[in-house]
Amino acid sequence: GENVEQHPSTLSVQEGDSAVIKCTYSDSASNYFPWYKQELGKGPQLIIDIRSNVGEKKDQRIAVTLNKTAKHFSLHITETQPEDSAVYFCAASIRYSGGGADGLTFGKGTHLIIQP
Amino acid sequence: EAGVTQFPSHSVIEKGQTVTLRCDPISGHDNLYWYRRVMGKEIKFLLHFVKESKQDESGMPNNRFLAERTGGTYSTLKVQPAELEDSGVYFCASSQGRTSGRDLYEQYFGPGTRLTVT
Repeated sequence: GENVEQHPSTLSVQEGDSAVIKCTYSDSASNYFPWYKQELGKGPQLIIDIRSNVGEKKDQRIAVTLNKTAKHFSLHITETQPEDSAVYFCAASIRYSGGGADGLTFGKGTHLIIQP
Repeated sequence: EAGVTQFPSHSVIEKGQTVTLRCDPISGHDNLYWYRRVMGKEIKFLLHFVKESKQDESGMPNNRFLAERTGGTYSTLKVQPAELEDSGVYFCASSQGRTSGRDLYEQYFGPGTRLTVT
């Protein structure tokens, strides 16, 4: 089955700096890679995703890159703000035509701390 | 549009007792997933419903866990009898599937149910 590794487990950056979280996956059949942000006491919130036919996707201060050959993908947050402090999870899955998708395989999470 | 809701938010039970968790997906979402996060570990997939049918239950840990999705709407996850290692946070997520010619795969998570078995 799929295995997703995520690094680092904890990341502390100064407010205004950039943060990068990296993940690798093992199953070459995986073709859908979402990122989730989880705040204390809440469920994971989808913040961005990328499909295997795309190398990069950007949404305001957040970007995700995918290298299918190396089987790794990364989350980039620029101009970090205090409200970016949370636990971030990467995940991988296989999506099928017709709207179906397998359950997500998650990384272990990165605790992002934004220092004021 | 209301999000995914889960009930209860917390449950504390003794070993050997039964607990039933409920999930109400976003209205109109065909796909419903159950996950759990045991203390200190990653979020793990349990099973996947498409409407009322079980599509994949490969993540269910053992036969003490039973999931149902009545009429393709809400879902329940029953643990009977509960063991200490079942403690954790149980999440439910839903995705729309195919609609109006588009495939919508994004999974939206509920707030979770924190289960403590003592």
